[in-house]
Amino acid sequence: QKEVEQDPGPLSVPEGAIVSLNCTYSNSAFQYFMWYRQYSRKGPELLMYTYSSGNKEDGRFTAQVDKSSKYISLFIRDSQPSDSATYLCAMSASGANNLFFGTGTRLTVIP
Amino acid sequence: GAVVSQHPSWVICKSGTSVKIECRSLDFQATTMFWYRQFPKQSLMLMATSNEGSKATYEQGVEKDKFLINHASLTLSTLTVTSAHPEDSSFYICSASIGGPGYTFGSGTRLTVV
Repeated sequence: QKEVEQDPGPLSVPEGAIVSLNCTYSNSAFQYFMWYRQYSRKGPELLMYTYSSGNKEDGRFTAQVDKSSKYISLFIRDSQPSDSATYLCAMSASGANNLFFGTGTRLTVIP
Repeated sequence: GAVVSQHPSWVICKSGTSVKIECRSLDFQATTMFWYRQFPKQSLMLMATSNEGSKATYEQGVEKDKFLINHASLTLSTLTVTSAHPEDSSFYICSASIGGPGYTFGSGTRLTVV
């Protein structure tokens, strides 16, 4: 079983739609949960991170963590064509340097 | 914000030759940098952790003699792929911790070995 599971998609939505991206994990030691956006042939850029369970909102983006279910989500409201990218979830245990990544979900927002 | 500069962005080399990839932290000091490899449609896989002034720590299954890492200063880490073969063709990305869990990544290097 992989440490982090993420549906690779691809996912296509019309402009303005709400997008839901999800990851599950198996290691209960994970405390930090991150979402990265990666454009084609570029390095990932950090979108949001949360510590332990709960929600975090930043503009059109909302990250949710449910540690009891080992399930994290990223919601994108009013999606834009510029949101088209691959979204990777990542997580790490407290104090650890190693990040465990999901495979990434490729999102296309159609104008 | 913290920027990690990675060079080159792409390289094509002949089988059997060596390729060096550089990763620089531009506006902060990075005592630790990380090297990842990403195959098409696959996740980022950590290859090694590069520590300034000491030997790198390699992940299981990564050949340390093939992927040479040098972290001679607080702002520069290099990855040298020695005697490259077509199966080494991949996207290599470095990253550095900027304090807290938010790592910053370089723009990546696409290596093609022919």
